[in-house]
Amino acid sequence: DAKTTQPPSMDCAEGRAANLPCNHSTISGNEYVYWYRQIHSQGPQYIIHGLKNNETNEMASLIITEDRKSSTLILPHATLRDTAVYYCIVRYSGNTPLVFGKGTRLSVIA
Amino acid sequence: EPEVTQTPSHQVTQMGQEVILRCVPISNHLYFYWYRQILGQKVEFLVSFYNNEISEKSEIFDDQFSVERPDGSNFTLKIRSTKLEDSAMYFCASSENLSWEGDTEAFFGQGTRLTVV
Repeated sequence: DAKTTQPPSMDCAEGRAANLPCNHSTISGNEYVYWYRQIHSQGPQYIIHGLKNNETNEMASLIITEDRKSSTLILPHATLRDTAVYYCIVRYSGNTPLVFGKGTRLSVIA
Repeated sequence: EPEVTQTPSHQVTQMGQEVILRCVPISNHLYFYWYRQILGQKVEFLVSFYNNEISEKSEIFDDQFSVERPDGSNFTLKIRSTKLEDSAMYFCASSENLSWEGDTEAFFGQGTRLTVV
């Protein structure tokens, strides 16, 4: 079962930042936090991952709390094409299977 | 940008028939996975494969399923005798091999929609 808790849905206005929260209170010290998204029924798309430090790439930023019990994915300027289901996944090591929960359905509204 | 390729994009088969779903992982990746997603449900892990053998499998991956890497590029999922409840999207994924525990992302293909009638 997924070790994370996410809100089932969120709305965001186009052009605004989308902040997607995730709780992972039982995360262990060597588990990473991964974020993926799924647009319609396409294959899940990797967004970003981190261990302890905040991370940023061309798609998003990942903010992990100091106690590592929660994190926030930030899409800085959401567009209509960012409408998708976003999955927060805790994963032990690089090649262990990803365990998907139900994710957060983000709707970006014009 | 390298990508995972799956064929066919859509397959319709009669109940009881065998199907083979094909995947071409990213070329320098050595870990391969199959997942499935029944319409409206979560993405579920089926099996992972490394060094020509199964490294992990879920309860879903029973005796009707098998995986194979028949050559240097393809990775296949065979369902021997399909059932109506096998209708789903099947996703292949691949990731780099790490010689140490560390972080690496898995990349997914666009999926094969299997419809069993």
